[in-house]
Amino acid sequence: DTGVSQNPRHKITKRGQNVTFRCDPISEHNRLYWYRQTLGQGPEFLTYFQNEAQLEKSRLLSDRFSAERPKGSFSTLEIQRTEQGDSAMYLCASSRMQGEPQHFGDGTRLSIL
Amino acid sequence: GIQVEQSPPDLILQEGANSTLRCNFSDSVNNLQWFHQNPWGQLINLFYIPSGTKQNGRLSATTVATERYSLLYISSSQTTDSGVYFCAVEPPGGYQKVTFGTGTKLQVIP
Repeated sequence: DTGVSQNPRHKITKRGQNVTFRCDPISEHNRLYWYRQTLGQGPEFLTYFQNEAQLEKSRLLSDRFSAERPKGSFSTLEIQRTEQGDSAMYLCASSRMQGEPQHFGDGTRLSIL
Repeated sequence: GIQVEQSPPDLILQEGANSTLRCNFSDSVNNLQWFHQNPWGQLINLFYIPSGTKQNGRLSATTVATERYSLLYISSSQTTDSGVYFCAVEPPGGYQKVTFGTGTKLQVIP
């Protein structure tokens, strides 16, 4: 197991730009989750995938956010027309199946100028 | 939605001391996990414990689902235990919308 891998580790961009993050889950993990964490808070659920199907989305995921997992392996999270409030750590986690623990990546820290 | 509260919010321990962290949740849950977020921001899964008791080295956890709480015990604390401890719950219904608690920030001093 190489662990959950996220890229890039840091992203600095100007307000209004689009950004895309990538998450590679642990091999053979069917479930993949995206969270957002701001300073001093716990992670907040954004969305999750069972293989390539996106099965649950939080109300935090506005129409500027889109997530995909096209082949049931890696996933991407795109934010369009970024805003100051999007500045946060974006975390990805995976688990083998329902009822199994989640394993987190190191996250992508997004800073909006 | 489900509410998850942790106590205490902050804790300072002398190295070698023991501690108990508590997680209360407002509704039935399918499962509960404890995580440690180290000072570098990495989230490490400690326990997956929807009910009962588990132990892993100096750490152990107990969840009493019927009374809607879970406890994390840290014995003989070390400076490497410093960080934030989160519990996270998943509501029933087959959905995976995990809700994290407010966290307990632990500092272990030598």
